Amino acid sequence: RKEVEQDPGPFNVPEGATVAFNCTYSNSASQSFFWYRQDCRKEPKLLMSVYSSGNEDGRFTAQLNRASQYISLLIRDSKLSDSATYLCVAREGNQFYFGTGTSLTVIP
Amino acid sequence: ETGVTQTPRHLVMGMTNKKSLKCEQHLGHNAMYWYKQSAKKPLELMFVYNFKEQTENNSVPSRFSPECPNSSHLFLHLHTLQPEDSALYLCASSITATENSPLHFGNGTRLTVT
Repeated sequence: RKEVEQDPGPFNVPEGATVAFNCTYSNSASQSFFWYRQDCRKEPKLLMSVYSSGNEDGRFTAQLNRASQYISLLIRDSKLSDSATYLCVAREGNQFYFGTGTSLTVIP
Repeated sequence: ETGVTQTPRHLVMGMTNKKSLKCEQHLGHNAMYWYKQSAKKPLELMFVYNFKEQTENNSVPSRFSPECPNSSHLFLHLHTLQPEDSALYLCASSITATENSPLHFGNGTRLTVT
């Protein structure tokens, strides 16, 4: 059983579209949550932390539902540069549980 | 970003070779990690060091041997690896291993075992 599950996609969307990724986690003791983006053959880079009240950073909005053990990422007004793999992460203590990632391609 | 740097970027080694991966962080963090990333799999935690003490060894074969001389440096010594060990090896750091802070990754070493 995977600790963190994500739809692998791929998601192919036109520029300017809004796209949403979902993620579920199995460990109810998870304390903190993050979204990372990973470009092809590069390291994961922190996109944003996810807070219980939901949080926004420019075109990106993250939501957490602890009752359903569900995390989401919404990207508005997609840019070509948003093309990447998005990794959902749940942390408990020193254990970070990564999803396999959701692939996004933004098409001109 | 140069907060966490890894060398070498690429490494090709035979199964009988001995090599070491190096990681250095300039973020003032106290926890450092080694992860393995294989194609189509989630990142796999290998080792965790918190304030230079190893706190996690995720059933990693003994052909991988970590070393953490101080909070800023982390090594992964490799010996008699197998072809299935070919992967991207990522070093990361965080403020500590217990606080709810994110990981910051280095640029990785892409390892090929022939």
